[in-house]
Amino acid sequence: TQLLKQSPQFLSIQEGENLTVYCNSSSVFSSLQWYRQEPGEGPVLLVTVVTGGEVKKLKRLTFQFGDARKDSSLHITAAQPGDTGLYLCAGPLLGAGSYQLTFGKGTKLSVIP
Amino acid sequence: EAGVTQFPSHSVIEKGQTVTLRCDPISGHDNLYWYRRVMGKEIKFLLHFVKESKQDESGMPNNRFLAERTGGTYSTLKVQPAELEDSGVYFCASSQAGAKNIQYFGAGTRLSVL
Repeated sequence: TQLLKQSPQFLSIQEGENLTVYCNSSSVFSSLQWYRQEPGEGPVLLVTVVTGGEVKKLKRLTFQFGDARKDSSLHITAAQPGDTGLYLCAGPLLGAGSYQLTFGKGTKLSVIP
Repeated sequence: EAGVTQFPSHSVIEKGQTVTLRCDPISGHDNLYWYRRVMGKEIKFLLHFVKESKQDESGMPNNRFLAERTGGTYSTLKVQPAELEDSGVYFCASSQAGAKNIQYFGAGTRLSVL
């Protein structure tokens, strides 16, 4: 059973376009992290969202945590080839008593010049 | 400051052999985690150390896997004997005492069991 579902699985867009990727669950999370991973490397932390309804911006990237803390989205404005990579959402389940991260399978983004 | 480092980056072994993976966390990080990604699946938690103690080992697949963190610094994960289904990428992560959910990952060890 996959607790965190990410969509779409694959996304190929032209440079300059906008996009949104989603991370959904029926479970509540203490927080959600977004990572970007490139081939042969480990996940690199982009942002952590903690409060329901929270919105964080990182240059052209906007992250939102759902009010119920069950879902999150990542919006990229004017995508660039350097944004290409695998985007992963992950977080610790609320009340689990553990800090193990539950991961989604990821969204593989390709930005074509 | 050095990030999380893992060794080796790749390992190819035959079924039945033993392999030991090593992880050096970010200096000063008390929390160390092991995760694994098998092909086609999401990254999954294996276990969590706080200093030298195992805090949570609920994700360890079976008793062929042994993790240690003697002295509370680097950690090793030994698989003995390895099976085909153990193939995958093993990631190590570390975090500070006051921010356990903010975990920094190493580049991983890609293990292939033939």
